[in-house]
Amino acid sequence: GQNIDQPTEMTATEGAIVQINCTYQTSGFNGLFWYQQHAGEAPTFLSYNVLDGLEEKGRFSSFLSRSKGYSYLLLKELQMKDSASYLCAVRDQGNNRLAFGKGNQVVVIP
Amino acid sequence: EAQVTQNPRYLITVTGKKLTVTCSQNMNHEYMSWYRQDPGLGLRQIYYSMNVEVTDKGDVPEGYKVSRKEKRNFPLILESPSPNQTSLYFCASRTTRSRDRDWGYGYTFGSGTRLTVV
Repeated sequence: GQNIDQPTEMTATEGAIVQINCTYQTSGFNGLFWYQQHAGEAPTFLSYNVLDGLEEKGRFSSFLSRSKGYSYLLLKELQMKDSASYLCAVRDQGNNRLAFGKGNQVVVIP
Repeated sequence: EAQVTQNPRYLITVTGKKLTVTCSQNMNHEYMSWYRQDPGLGLRQIYYSMNVEVTDKGDVPEGYKVSRKEKRNFPLILESPSPNQTSLYFCASRTTRSRDRDWGYGYTFGSGTRLTVV
């Protein structure tokens, strides 16, 4: 099975940098995804990591360490519209299931 | 446009009155899934389908039914809704083939259905 852990909430100031962590345990790792979800809306894809290292996409970067079962999402130059929940999801190689963490709520304040 | 279409967006119903939430995808994805999302509990999988006529229970299947008669459609059926099924529901689809372009995107989600059972 899969076990995914994320902290629940953090507050940050507009223009700052915030790091959201995700740790996981899985019997067969086959990729990690980050999604952004605004309240009452569907999750939307942000990034995908399958190899160790950093993937950068504009203001968002995601890092993966498979040996440590650890990923983080880095949000730079925070904007008010970045206030959302950020979900980490891990794909299992054996059963092809995608398991989600409970999400980390980021609140951006002026 | 590649999408998952889910209807209705909002639904208020009474206890015991059967309802169906429809879900359709146009990406030829094999895998489809239903999730419910409740405050503090995250996304919990209700049922999933690996392909046509292949469905299986997720983590919280009680009180729900699904069917997969065609690849594109995956309706969620509540035969006798109860107030504890009041929730936000998402349908989602994805490919199971690592060579597909969509492999690196994981799920595509529908817009959600806010269901209230009174």
